[in-house]
Amino acid sequence: SSELTQDPAVSVALGQTVRITCQGDSLRSYYASWYQQKPGQAPVLVIYGKNNRPSGIPDRFSGSSSGNTASLTITGAQAEDEADYYCNSRDSSGNHLYVFGTGTKVTVL
Amino acid sequence: QVTLKESGPVLVKPTETLTLTCTVSGFSLSNARMGVSWIRQPPGKALEWLAHIFSNDEKSYSTSLKSRLTISKDTSKSQVVLTMTNMDPVDTATYYCARISIGIEGDGFDYWGQGTLVTVSS
Repeated sequence: SSELTQDPAVSVALGQTVRITCQGDSLRSYYASWYQQKPGQAPVLVIYGKNNRPSGIPDRFSGSSSGNTASLTITGAQAEDEADYYCNSRDSSGNHLYVFGTGTKVTVL
Repeated sequence: QVTLKESGPVLVKPTETLTLTCTVSGFSLSNARMGVSWIRQPPGKALEWLAHIFSNDEKSYSTSLKSRLTISKDTSKSQVVLTMTNMDPVDTATYYCARISIGIEGDGFDYWGQGTLVTVSS
């Protein structure tokens, strides 16, 4: 089965830009989706597909992909963006098996 | 308004079988472009996808847990049921159900339940 690897933690100054990366072979074939999870809460979808935001997600969140790496960028990070972020994609075997990334803790300084 | 809600035991003993129910509203389990997954998260750890069922009853399971999992649905009751056999303390986790929308633009788990914490202990 596939694996998706993320940096464990990143920090960003208030108002600055931070990029979170997700690496895995399955990303060469499938788009990643990204989830924000705050303590004690269920995850929230923030990006899916090439670069699509669900209704209600601020436009400071954007997604991109190149080769085996997908990225989530927060442009102008806000205090409320401090959270864990997880990527997800289909398993490289295809069908509808899915895999989550290892997660990245984003701290806003 | 789309909602999902998990229900089931909060405590199970080792070797027992866990049965969790996800009751959905605001969409139909017969919608061709949607499915429901179960996802879990041990305390302080990452999310782990477990299983998935689509409107046509297509089912998929985590490779590592496939032998222990069974997913099913009752469209008339708007419920998706997950059973996991031979529970172990390492299976202690918050279990979520989530709707997945399938599209040309990519897949996404767009709605989640609040999660239910299941503890495995004797």
